[in-house]
Order: sequence, then structure tokens, then C-alpha cells
Amino acid sequence: AQKITQTQPGMFVQEKEAVTLDCTYDTSDPSYGLFWYKQPSSGEMIFLIYQGSYDQQNATEGRYSLNFQKARKSANLVISASQLGDSAMYFCAIQGAQKLVFGQGTRLTINP
Amino acid sequence: DGGITQSPKYLFRKEGQNVTLSCEQNLNHDAMYWYRQDPGQGLRLIYYSQIVNDFQKGDIAEGYSVSREKKESFPLTVTSAQKNPTAFYLCASSIYGGLRTSTDTQYFGPGTRLTVL
Repeated sequence: AQKITQTQPGMFVQEKEAVTLDCTYDTSDPSYGLFWYKQPSSGEMIFLIYQGSYDQQNATEGRYSLNFQKARKSANLVISASQLGDSAMYFCAIQGAQKLVFGQGTRLTINP
Repeated sequence: DGGITQSPKYLFRKEGQNVTLSCEQNLNHDAMYWYRQDPGQGLRLIYYSQIVNDFQKGDIAEGYSVSREKKESFPLTVTSAQKNPTAFYLCASSIYGGLRTSTDTQYFGPGTRLTVL
């Protein structure tokens, strides 16, 4: 079975600073995918970035990048130049058998 | 605009009632999913469907039922057998159910918040 652990329940960051959200995972599948989603207070889950287990390079999408360390089973999300609109819950998820398994999430607050 | 719609946004249910949550997508995706989210928690899978007229139970299917008669629609019924139905319900879809590449990313609707009175 797959499992995601997000150890930071909450984080507070100053606007324009970079922030790293931690995610560790456990899986016995040799091939898997890792996803990050953002959930603002409205509730909708917004897809941010994806990393495949066989991808040679770390994924990047605009201000989002994924620090993927396969041997350590970690897939940390890095947000560069944080903005007030980045305040939200962030969830890491791993692809399991036909489904996503989510972590408990990290609440990120950006202070002006 | 392509996307996933869920209705209603808020739903109130009396004890012992069945209620149905709507989920529609116009993305031409094969696979659809229902998740439940409790306060301060991640998402848990209730049911999923990879093709029309076929669906499978997820991790917490007891007390719920679904149908998939059309590709675009995947309604969820919360039955009176669900002991604690108050939660936020999210519907999602993906191109197909493989989840093996980024193109299989799940995209979510805005959610329905269900409260039992």
C-alpha cells in the first residue's frame, strides 16, 4: 500500500521568500507518480505539479518545482518568490492502484 | 469552457434521508472519482469509475452508492446507512484511470459540503 507523510501541519512565510513543503512517501511499486495539489479556502483542489518515478529531471512549473530524491523517498515542493495568493492547504499525493493516496496536508500562510 | 461541475454547493440532510450529489464533466475524460474530505484531513477515495457502466469501491465505500450511465456524469448517493456523512465531497476526473503519466492527472470539481441536521 502507498502512504504519504507531510510532517508540517502549518508554515508561515514572508511574502517574496521561497518556501519548501515536505513530503515523504512509501510504496512498493517500481513505477509511480507523485502529485502536488493546492486547496484554497474555496475548497477546490488545484493541480500544481507532477513527478514520475523514472523522470531524470526534477519537475518544474512556473514558480513551482519539485525536489525529488528517490533514494530518500521524498518529493518536496518548492515555491519560489511566494505571493499572498499562495496561502492555502497543500497536499502531496502518490499514484496507487487506479487511485491517488493523499497526505494530511500543510497549511501555508504568506505574511505581507 | 471545459471543466467539472458539482451541485449543489451546500446540502443539508436530515437523519435517515438519502441524498444525491451531482458531478458532471465535459472534458471527455474516461475516469471519474469521488473523494471525501473531513476537517483538517486529506482526501479519501469513496468510489471510482474507469468506463461507462463500470465502477469500483474505494477505501470508504460503505454507506455510499454510485452509477455511471453516461460518460459525463457520475452521481454519488449518500444513503442512510452512512453513519457520519457530514463532510466535504469532491469529484474528480482523469483522461483514463491509469495514472501513469502526467496526462492522467486528476482534475477536481469545486466540491459539495454536506451537513446532517
